[in-house]
Amino acid sequence: DARVTQTPRHKVTEMGQEVTMRCQPILGHNTVFWYRQTMMQGLELLAYFRNRAPLDDSGMPKDRFSAEMPDATLATLKIQPSEPRDSAVYFCASGSPSWDSGNTIYFGEGSWLTVV
Amino acid sequence: SQQGEEDPQALSIQEGENATMNCSYKTSINNLQWYRQNSGRGLVHLILIRSNEREKHSGRLRVTLDTSKKSSSLLITASRAADTASYFCATVLPFTGGGNKLTFGTGTQLKVEL
Repeated sequence: DARVTQTPRHKVTEMGQEVTMRCQPILGHNTVFWYRQTMMQGLELLAYFRNRAPLDDSGMPKDRFSAEMPDATLATLKIQPSEPRDSAVYFCASGSPSWDSGNTIYFGEGSWLTVV
Repeated sequence: SQQGEEDPQALSIQEGENATMNCSYKTSINNLQWYRQNSGRGLVHLILIRSNEREKHSGRLRVTLDTSKKSSSLLITASRAADTASYFCATVLPFTGGGNKLTFGTGTQLKVEL
């Protein structure tokens, strides 16, 4: 089965450390989303790529977060330096070119980040 | 900020009963989707309803959409313990940068007890 793969699944890090989360979208999907999920804020859209170009990263704290797609098979979300308030589950999702016309987007299992 | 808000936040029912969850949203939409999330897992797409549709069915799921009230409902009939999960509505909104983006509501936690 095609699936979105995220690594790491779990990460515990100390405040101030750099954290990089990776996502392999489903082959052929040209749209990638990064979401953050917390109990307080729910699911927040952090970044949105189409054909590797960022369309929207307004939901992302710019001073410490960065998102890139070095190639079509890899999306990265980096936090530097990390803070305890960044503790959350980070989801990557990918969609086909027609995802918004009746097709779905597919989520990975998430990267569970704890910053202590 | 959340585009959609689900109601109720939590719902507990007995197996076999029907479960109804509601979603309200703020701005005009292209379509609305419902997702399910099992504890500790990613979200899984359930059903999509377009802005020109009023009702849609998929198995035990029934979704309605009222664009005049900016609301949607998800009905799960004959619920099973395996339906225990969080359910989210998501709206496809036009994005000024080109294309559309998907934003999620606050979710309803459904618990189906034996």
